[in-house]
Amino acid sequence: QKEVEQNSGPLSVPEGAIASLNCTYSDRVSQSFFWYRQYSGKSPELIMSIYSNGDKEDGRFTAQLNKASQYVSLLIRDSQPSDSATYLCAVKRGGSYIPTFGRGTSLIVHP
Amino acid sequence: GAGVSQSPSNKVTEKGKDVELRCDPISGHTALYWYRQSLGQGLEFLIYFQGNSAPDKSGLPSDRFSAERTGGSVSTLTIQRTQQEDSAVYLCASSLRATGFGNTIYFGEGSWLTVV
Repeated sequence: QKEVEQNSGPLSVPEGAIASLNCTYSDRVSQSFFWYRQYSGKSPELIMSIYSNGDKEDGRFTAQLNKASQYVSLLIRDSQPSDSATYLCAVKRGGSYIPTFGRGTSLIVHP
Repeated sequence: GAGVSQSPSNKVTEKGKDVELRCDPISGHTALYWYRQSLGQGLEFLIYFQGNSAPDKSGLPSDRFSAERTGGSVSTLTIQRTQQEDSAVYLCASSLRATGFGNTIYFGEGSWLTVV
């Protein structure tokens, strides 16, 4: 079982819709969770981090964490074509120095 | 600097040559990471530094790969006798600290290596 799993997609949504990206992880003692966006040919850039159960909102982005069910999700409201990218989930267990990355979900927002 | 800086941004080398890739982390960041990403693939962890020490070298693919960090700042990843399968983008990242608050890692723009 992979440590961090994401559906590779592509996930295709119309402009203005809500895009929902999901990530599951296997290590129950994971404590830090991150979402990155990676445009084709570019390096990953941080969208947000989340550490506690519940929702964390930043502009059009909302991260949701459920440690009991071992998943973290990212919602993008009012999706724009410029949001088209690969979204990487990263998880770090408590006391570990190294985040584990999922393979990413490709998101396509069509006009 | 403001962000993680990597050089060269692009490197084309002949098979069998050695290459050095440089990373200058965000000022004050104690943790430094190297990842590799082949075309269309996920991120592959290579090595992690805390200060000048590398507690985890488990990701280095072979003994042709080595890395060092000096002064708790700049790091160099060296690939000896390059092979075509080494072609990838090499990403450096840093974080304020490795655990706890401030453990978010930030990536540089990467060094694109092509071995011909």
